[in-house]
Amino acid sequence: NAGVTQTPKFQVLKTGQSMTLQCAQDMNHEYMSWYRQDPGMGLRLIHYSVGAGITDQGEVPNGYNVSRSTTEDFPLRLLSAAPSQTSVYFCASRTGQLGNTIYFGEGSWLTVV
Amino acid sequence: DAKTTQPPSMDCAEGRAANLPCNHSTISGNEYVYWYRQIHSQGPQYIIHGLKNNETNEMASLIITEDRKSSTLILPHATLRDTAVYYCIAPPGGYQKVTFGTGTKLQVIP
Repeated sequence: NAGVTQTPKFQVLKTGQSMTLQCAQDMNHEYMSWYRQDPGMGLRLIHYSVGAGITDQGEVPNGYNVSRSTTEDFPLRLLSAAPSQTSVYFCASRTGQLGNTIYFGEGSWLTVV
Repeated sequence: DAKTTQPPSMDCAEGRAANLPCNHSTISGNEYVYWYRQIHSQGPQYIIHGLKNNETNEMASLIITEDRKSSTLILPHATLRDTAVYYCIAPPGGYQKVTFGTGTKLQVIP
């Protein structure tokens, strides 16, 4: 049981490049989310999904796309990277039942130069 | 989800109890209170959660007021490794959209 797995762990991009951050969970969780965390700041919700084929925007969705074709995977796409997207990105998952915990991945450090 | 309010920072002497408060005055009846912590830039770590009753596990205790408008996380014997940012959240009942605030930065002092 690997939990929530994020790849890559570190990435440097040039402004304007695109890339995809991968997130996979093996716990059969319905809900998955992406957060970003800037230095010294709290977690901000980018996008979330309540099941395969269903996604919605969070607090800071601009510049990011997501899709959920399977229960296990929830990739985050940066369409045209900007220096303002330099951040640490966390993927999270949980079941839909009340009172259950959220599991986080270890994070992906992204630098846009 | 219910808005939560936490002090931005707190200090605690090593070996003493750390009491971290959280205000969630708009909490609804089916919304749980969760506590997570984040050490450096690691992924947030689950600590404890509760609905109405006080809860205790191997990491901490959670005290929820009778009116459920506030709660306190208690680390009974703080160590240097407990230095972290602690987040209190109260997701909505269906809690599809879970947001975090800025948390409390706890500094454990030797």
